[in-house]
Amino acid sequence: SQKIEQNSEALNIQEGKTATLTCNYTNYSPAYLQWYRQDPGRGPVFLLLIRENEKEKRKERLKVTFDTTLKQSLFHITASQPADSATYLCAPARGSGYSTLTFGKGTMLLVSP
Amino acid sequence: GAVVSQHPSRVICKSGTSVKIECRSLDFQATTMFWYRQFPKQSLMLMATSNEGSKATYEQGVEKDKFLINHASLTLSTLTVTSAHPEDSSFYICSARFPGQGLHEQFFGPGTRLTVL
Repeated sequence: SQKIEQNSEALNIQEGKTATLTCNYTNYSPAYLQWYRQDPGRGPVFLLLIRENEKEKRKERLKVTFDTTLKQSLFHITASQPADSATYLCAPARGSGYSTLTFGKGTMLLVSP
Repeated sequence: GAVVSQHPSRVICKSGTSVKIECRSLDFQATTMFWYRQFPKQSLMLMATSNEGSKATYEQGVEKDKFLINHASLTLSTLTVTSAHPEDSSFYICSARFPGQGLHEQFFGPGTRLTVL
């Protein structure tokens, strides 16, 4: 069955450092993968989408990589700030086109001043 | 980006009663809306996908007679939890996808916390 793994342990880093979150998936080949941010008690907010033919995508302080051979995506936040503290969800598409998403459990990021 | 609202944000009900949750897209007409459920410290689990004017497509293991979904217009979808039981207590979140708005991006509502006593 399709499986998505994200670090279940919270990631604690200091302000100004780069946070790197990992998403591994097995038993399928998503045409694209999305990353979302979720704050406690709120719905997720879309951050970035990367397609299977793209190795890297950037948006301001965010960078996502997508290695379809390793079946892994890395999510980086550079120059992290306390306001970046949240849970980050990895969501590979189930297939191609307007596909539904499967979400990982997410990794909580805590950025301390 | 597009805004999706949900109502109510919190609801407490007695076991055996039915609860209706509304999901509205405020700025755009949504071609597709999704309903998810999230238990504490768990991932979002897709319950069903609904397209305006047609029957919802339910995920395996989700009882369609228990979780009634109505998508009567391009801006409103409702989820009714019928004969709710304590195990239905969860965080229910809807999302919408809009044509021309980042194609694959989903815009999520703020969620509804359901507690069944």
